[in-house]
Amino acid sequence: GNSVTQMEGPVTLSEEAFLTINCTYTATGYPSLFWYVQYPGEGLQLLLKATKADDKGSNKGFEATYRKETTSFHLEKGSVQVSDSAVYFCALSTNTGNQFYFGTGTSLTVIP
Amino acid sequence: NAGVTQTPKFQVLKTGQSMTLQCAQDMNHNSMYWYRQDPGMGLRLIYYSASEGTTDKGEVPNGYNVSRLNKREFSLRLESAAPSQTSVYFCASSPQTQRQGGNTIYFGEGSWLTVV
Repeated sequence: GNSVTQMEGPVTLSEEAFLTINCTYTATGYPSLFWYVQYPGEGLQLLLKATKADDKGSNKGFEATYRKETTSFHLEKGSVQVSDSAVYFCALSTNTGNQFYFGTGTSLTVIP
Repeated sequence: NAGVTQTPKFQVLKTGQSMTLQCAQDMNHNSMYWYRQDPGMGLRLIYYSASEGTTDKGEVPNGYNVSRLNKREFSLRLESAAPSQTSVYFCASSPQTQRQGGNTIYFGEGSWLTVV
């Protein structure tokens, strides 16, 4: 079956620290992979995505590389800011296109 | 850009009452979804509609019904609310495309429902 496993939080970092949030997946076929971000009181917003192996998605200083050999899509940012405090969700969609599978979310708090 | 709009944003219900959550998207997407979000549980799919005229159960459909009224609108109904349905509900839509670039799901801002 299809599933996403991401590291449990909460994660607390100091401003300007390096961020990694691990995500691994199980999927049939060739999924697309996503990171979504949810700020308090809001819906999920697309942060970045990658649609095939070795693709790197990037946005707002965040990056993730689609690694088929390790079935991973880890989220990284070199220097976090207080405004990055949010819950981050890893997700995949199957190549049939209309099913999405989400991890349980990782809460990040960045302290000044 | 409105995107996915859901109403109401907040609602308090008594056990046994019924209500309908409304959702509309203006992106001409084929697929629409209803999720619930609970602490420590992530997002769980309640129902989805792959295209106008079709609906399918997701992971947690019990206690809910849906209607895909047209391509734009997808409503979620609680016929007899229970405290276990206290949650945050998200409507979402996706184009369901096989084009290169894949598919992406877009979310509404959420509806906070409390059943007392």
